[in-house]
Amino acid sequence: KQEVTQIPAALSVPEGENLVLNCSFTDSAIYNLQWFRQDPGKGLTSLLLIQSSQREQTSGRLNASLDKSSGRSTLYIAASQPGDSATYLCAVRQFLADSWGKLQFGAGTQVVVTP
Amino acid sequence: DTAVSQTPKYLVTQMGNDKSIKCEQNLGHDTMYWYKQDSKKFLKIMFSYNNKELIINETVPNRFSPKSPDKAHLNLHINSLELGDSAVYFCASSPKESLSYEQYFGPGTRLTVT
Repeated sequence: KQEVTQIPAALSVPEGENLVLNCSFTDSAIYNLQWFRQDPGKGLTSLLLIQSSQREQTSGRLNASLDKSSGRSTLYIAASQPGDSATYLCAVRQFLADSWGKLQFGAGTQVVVTP
Repeated sequence: DTAVSQTPKYLVTQMGNDKSIKCEQNLGHDTMYWYKQDSKKFLKIMFSYNNKELIINETVPNRFSPKSPDKAHLNLHINSLELGDSAVYFCASSPKESLSYEQYFGPGTRLTVT
């Protein structure tokens, strides 16, 4: 059974520092991994999608790496800003015949960026 | 120009009642999903529909019944509500039922059962 773990559960950094968020998964037979951002009382916003054949994806200040063999992904956010404060979720998509589009989520890392 | 919308945003009701949550997407996507986020913040998939056809049905009580009148809408009806049904329910959609596509989420419906 796939388990997705995110460490740390919470993180507080001063503005300008780089953020490093970790995601680990127990079953490496994944199709892809997706990072989301969730703001309080709001839905999820997709940040980056990494296919299993890729090692990393970049979008602006965000960079996500994927090491499928070791079951790890890391989300880097450069030069953090107060607006980056949110909960960040990672989710893996299983490579199983009957699991079309089934995402398995971690519990998230709550990030606070202080001015 | 909301991509995935849900109504209502908040729902407070008593045990034993029947309620529905509606979801609509204007992205032209073929596939829609329902997720439940519990008090520990874990998101778990409940159902997935592709072109109005049910393709994923996780282990959820029979009291939960999804209905897809067309591929732009996926509603969730819950019978005989229980305290444990209190959660945030998210609707999502993706272009096709393909493993490589991103999923786009709605704002969520916070259900409180008293």
